[in-house]
Formats: sequence, C-alpha cells, structure tokens
Amino acid sequence: DVKVTQSSRYLVKRTGEKVFLECVQDMDHENMFWYRQDPGLGLRLIYFSYDVKMKEKGDIPEGYSVSREKKERFSLILESASTNQTSMYLCASSFPRAGIYGYTFGSGTRLTVV
Amino acid sequence: GESVGLHLPTLSVQEGDNSIINCAYSNSASDYFIWYKQESGKGPQFIIDIRSNMDKRQGQRVTVLLNKTVKHLSLQIAATQPGDSAVYFCAESLNRDDKIIFGKGTRLHILP
Repeated sequence: DVKVTQSSRYLVKRTGEKVFLECVQDMDHENMFWYRQDPGLGLRLIYFSYDVKMKEKGDIPEGYSVSREKKERFSLILESASTNQTSMYLCASSFPRAGIYGYTFGSGTRLTVV
Repeated sequence: GESVGLHLPTLSVQEGDNSIINCAYSNSASDYFIWYKQESGKGPQFIIDIRSNMDKRQGQRVTVLLNKTVKHLSLQIAATQPGDSAVYFCAESLNRDDKIIFGKGTRLHILP
C-alpha cells in the first residue's frame, strides 16, 4: 500500500525553537509539497520540490525553509517557531502532471507553538 | 489572480439524497480540476478530476461537472451515505506546472 508518512501526528514546540517536520513517500514520486491548513483558509502551499535538491517557494514561504536531499524525503523547517505557525501541516507527493494523477497526502502534523 | 472558492461552507443532506457541492474558480487558464475528500484526522484524498476539454466525468457514485463559461465546478454524490461525511475541496491546476490551488472547503453533514 503506497503512502506518504509524516513523522509526527502532534507536536508542541516553544516559541523560538527550530522545528523539523519530516515527510517520506514510498511511491518514487518526483514531486513533493508542503501545505498548511487553517480553518476558513483551506490549504495553502508553503514550498514544493520537483526533484532532489530542488525547491520552489509556494504562496506563503515566509518563516519556513525546506530540504530535499533524497527523492523520498522532503523536510519542512521552521527556523524560529512563532505562535502564528500553529497549524496543521500536510505533506503531499505526486508524479508529474498532478492534475491527472492527483496528489497523495500524508495524515498531517498538528503543530502547536506555545 | 488565481483563486478557487466554494459557495457554501457547510452543506447538510439527508441520508440517501443526492449531494451537490459547488465551486467557483477565477483562473481561465486552469487546465485540470480536482475534487478531494478529507475525513476527520486524515489528509485529503483524491476523488475525481476533470480536464478543461471535458464538461462531465463520472466515477462511482460521483459526477463532476465543469462549466467553463461561468467558471463553475460541481461535485455530485449520489445516494449520500454516512461515510460521505467529510470536508470536500475543489482544486485547480495549470497545465504548465503541477501546483494545485485549493479552495477553502465545504463540510458535508449527513442527516439521519
């Protein structure tokens, strides 16, 4: 059963901490994406990657960075966590032309910054 | 600019009835449209998609309709069941890249 795995379901971090959210997919997908999901705002794209060591900014990249050293792993980094980064974070992967195949999402990481 | 939105944030439907979830989009260059279902505690799950050169596509109990003239997308669920209770997102994608832009979601509530 193919899947996208996010390392943590729930995280609580302190303001100013450096936070790593990990995502691993076992489908040999080229494309990987990080979204955050907030009530009333839907899913907003933070960063995405079409290949190893490649990254592109999404719609809300401020306060975040990413790393893709291996094809199967895409990490989201909060350099200095702030309370406004409390959210549900969703990782997704796809083959090219996601409009045809759609994304496969992980189950999400609910991050609370206190 | 690019945006995808939904007309109703919450839709309540009697079990067994048909559900229709609507979506408006603003980018006429979008080439692919997708519906996702998100159940509580899970990530969004692909339901069905449609290309811009089509106006209707059917799946198992679901039909997606696309009206490019008024930039409107809808998802029809036949004989709604309790397991259909979820948040439904429409999304659009441009032909030249793989970014998907999501709408804000509609919660489908099934009445017994």
